[in-house]
Amino acid sequence: GENVEQHPSTLSVQEGDSAVIKCTYSDSASNYFPWYKQELGKGPQLIIDIRSNVGEKKDQRIAVTLNKTAKHFSLHITETQPEDSAVYFCASAPGYSTLTFGKGTMLLVSP
Amino acid sequence: DVKVTQSSRYLVKRTGEKVFLECVQDMDHENMFWYRQDPGLGLRLIYFSYDVKMKEKGDIPEGYSVSREKKERFSLILESASTNQTSMYLCATGLAHEQYFGPGTRLTVT
Repeated sequence: GENVEQHPSTLSVQEGDSAVIKCTYSDSASNYFPWYKQELGKGPQLIIDIRSNVGEKKDQRIAVTLNKTAKHFSLHITETQPEDSAVYFCASAPGYSTLTFGKGTMLLVSP
Repeated sequence: DVKVTQSSRYLVKRTGEKVFLECVQDMDHENMFWYRQDPGLGLRLIYFSYDVKMKEKGDIPEGYSVSREKKERFSLILESASTNQTSMYLCATGLAHEQYFGPGTRLTVT
């Protein structure tokens, strides 16, 4: 089955800096790559996703890039703010199959 | 907004007890999912359901069962709780890909 590796497990940045979280996947049939944000005491929430026919997608301060050849995708957050502090999960899915999640990255943004 | 509610935020049970975790969604979604979340292990799929009375095993179904008698309700059952089932349990609904999560139930088995 699909295997998703996510790095780093923790990431500390200063407010205003950029943050990058990277994931690799194993199944070449995977074609959907979402990112979820989990704030303390809450369930994960979808923040951005990308499909395999697209190389990059942006939504305000967040962007996701996908390299299908290398089987990796990344989340980029610019101008980080304290409210960006959370656990972030990447995931992938081949076809209409269920999601396989990475192990998560705890992002800490210091004022 | 999609609303996914879980019956309890915190639950403490004894080893060997039968435990029911309930999840209700208000968006008429076909698909519902149960995950467990453990530090360093991420989210792991236990069971999912594509329709009423339908169920499919996920990656870690051992020690669990599920019930879906109505479209809006999906229950996770621990037939005989064990300490290694102490975890955060998350219910989700939606499309197979775009999922909406409940707030989670933190279960402690002593």
